[in-house]
Amino acid sequence: KNEVEQSPQNLTAQEGEFITINCSYSVGISALHWLQQHPGGGIVSLFMLSSGKKKHGRLIATINIQEKHSSLHITASHPRDSAVYICAVKSNTGKLIFGQGTTLQVKP
Amino acid sequence: GAGVSQSPRYKVAKRGQDVALRCDPISGHVSLFWYQQALGQGPEFLTYFQNEAQLDKSGLPSDRFFAERPEGSVSTLKIQRTQQEDSAVYLCASSLQGTGYNEQFFGPGTRLTVL
Repeated sequence: KNEVEQSPQNLTAQEGEFITINCSYSVGISALHWLQQHPGGGIVSLFMLSSGKKKHGRLIATINIQEKHSSLHITASHPRDSAVYICAVKSNTGKLIFGQGTTLQVKP
Repeated sequence: GAGVSQSPRYKVAKRGQDVALRCDPISGHVSLFWYQQALGQGPEFLTYFQNEAQLDKSGLPSDRFFAERPEGSVSTLKIQRTQQEDSAVYLCASSLQGTGYNEQFFGPGTRLTVL
């Protein structure tokens, strides 16, 4: 079993839909990242959080430390949101442990 | 530059060749990380430096992989006698400090293809 599990692996949505991507982890962490990766592109950090909830534009990230679970929500999705979304937890030693990623396609 | 840079962006090597991948972290960032991302997979940790000290190299897949950061700034990941399974994107990230609540900033990656 992977230390960081994401679901779903693939997601197709219609423009305007509300999207949720889930992440569960099994190790002790100091923080959790949500990252975005476009095809052929580098990785961009969307959020880093260790508790509660953060919002940036149409993106919302939540984390429940007790349940070892985080969610990334996208409201009013748009085709430009199409990308791979990766959950990564920062272990207590500092290194990141990544999930497998969720490939999101938003159709117009 | 303002961000993490990596070079080359693309590298094609024949099996058995040695390659060297470079990472320039954000100026002032103490910690530097190397990750390997195989096609269709999430990145996986290779090694971590704090200044010039390599504190964790537990992710290096074999003794053909070697990383250094001699002056605590630029880092080089070297792969000797490349194999086809080494084909991947190699990502470098830096942060102010490795531990605790410090965001890692990623470079664009080097895509290595071993023929």
